[in-house]
Amino acid sequence: LAKTTQPISMDSYEGQEVNITCSHNNIATNDYITWYQQFPSQGPRFIIQGYKTKVTNEVASLFIPADRKSSTLSLPRVSLSDTAVYYCLVGVQDQAGTALIFGKGTTLSVSS
Amino acid sequence: GAVVSQHPSRVICKSGTSVKIECRSLDFQATTMFWYRQFPKQSLMLMATSNEGSKATYEQGVEKDKFLINHASLTLSTLTVTSAHPEDSSFYICSAPGTGRVGRNIQYFGAGTRLSVL
Repeated sequence: LAKTTQPISMDSYEGQEVNITCSHNNIATNDYITWYQQFPSQGPRFIIQGYKTKVTNEVASLFIPADRKSSTLSLPRVSLSDTAVYYCLVGVQDQAGTALIFGKGTTLSVSS
Repeated sequence: GAVVSQHPSRVICKSGTSVKIECRSLDFQATTMFWYRQFPKQSLMLMATSNEGSKATYEQGVEKDKFLINHASLTLSTLTVTSAHPEDSSFYICSAPGTGRVGRNIQYFGAGTRLSVL
């Protein structure tokens, strides 16, 4: 599985847009990019998944440049409840038997 | 979305006892489930892959006799921590991939089990 690199931590204020960038230089042709969110003492929760260009859902947007060597998770107008750890994962998502290997993640702290 | 139920959410036990953690996929079938372990302020570490009807696959360094995994049905996997010791205290999380109707092989996670061994 491709290795990912993302900032250890980020700070923001309520109402701001937060962009978390993940580097995955060795991404393979069949790999998808998936982001998960984890609150303390809870299991991770799926946020968004994409392969190329831009994906948007009710929670976030995911921007993927043409070379796919990085991706950016964009959280619009964050609130205090968005304080969590965000994990970027890259892997072949069409294989049900493939486990997810988590990196260190980015701890986002949102203040009022 | 798909729901994975994990039980119990918290266990406090004496050293030497065994603890069983259940992981159920509530509205979909999962021939494969995964068990993770997470220490405070660290990332999730994959322990093993649970396969329905066959033996689990353990990651390097994980004792299979210590962490017994049973995947007896398409919706249930159990992790038993045998003869638990204080160093086994951790947060254990299971996950299952959703397929088809519930999502294109996105992993769905249980809420986790906090194990504290005294």
